[in-house]
Amino acid sequence: DVKVTQSSRYLVKRTGEKVFLECVQDMDHENMFWYRQDPGLGLRLIYFSYDVKMKEKGDIPEGYSVSREKKERFSLILESASTNQTSMYLCASDAGRRHEQYFGPGTRLTVT
Amino acid sequence: AQSVTQPDIHITVSEGASLELRCNYSYGATPYLFWYVQSPGQGLQLLLKYFSGDTLVQGIKGFEAEFKRSQSSFNLRKPSVHWSDAAEYFCAVGGWLTGGGNKLTFGTGTQLKVEL
Repeated sequence: DVKVTQSSRYLVKRTGEKVFLECVQDMDHENMFWYRQDPGLGLRLIYFSYDVKMKEKGDIPEGYSVSREKKERFSLILESASTNQTSMYLCASDAGRRHEQYFGPGTRLTVT
Repeated sequence: AQSVTQPDIHITVSEGASLELRCNYSYGATPYLFWYVQSPGQGLQLLLKYFSGDTLVQGIKGFEAEFKRSQSSFNLRKPSVHWSDAAEYFCAVGGWLTGGGNKLTFGTGTQLKVEL
């Protein structure tokens, strides 16, 4: 069974803290993605990676960075968390253009 | 730029009734289209996808969707809704990404409530 796992289901951080969200997939997928989900806005792409050490900005990259040192792992970094980054963060992976994306369970991040 | 519109934010149906969730997309070429479902507190699960070929696609849990190019629509249907179908449903269109992946653009979702 395919699986995308995320390191935390719930996370509470203070303004200004550095935050790491980890995502691991066990499907040997080339592509990995980070989205944020907000009510009424659907899912918006933050960053994606199509290979180890390769990354591209999505639609809302401001305030975020990413790291992909191994094929199976894709990290989202909030360098200095702010309250407007309180959201649900979803990680996904896919095997290429003609394949669907598989999603992790999400991390609900609250920044106070 | 690609976009997806789900005009219904909330829909309530009775158990056993039929269901249709609307999705309209904007995309410059033949689109890749997806429907995902999200149960409370969970990630997204793929219901079905359209890449090419037969415009009526079957998915999991008894769902189906029909691609209508002339109407730029990809509506999701189910003949008889079960209480366990209560969830949020997202339509997405897939565009090109560097490296060959799908750039999914999602609609804002439709929240389905099922009355017993």
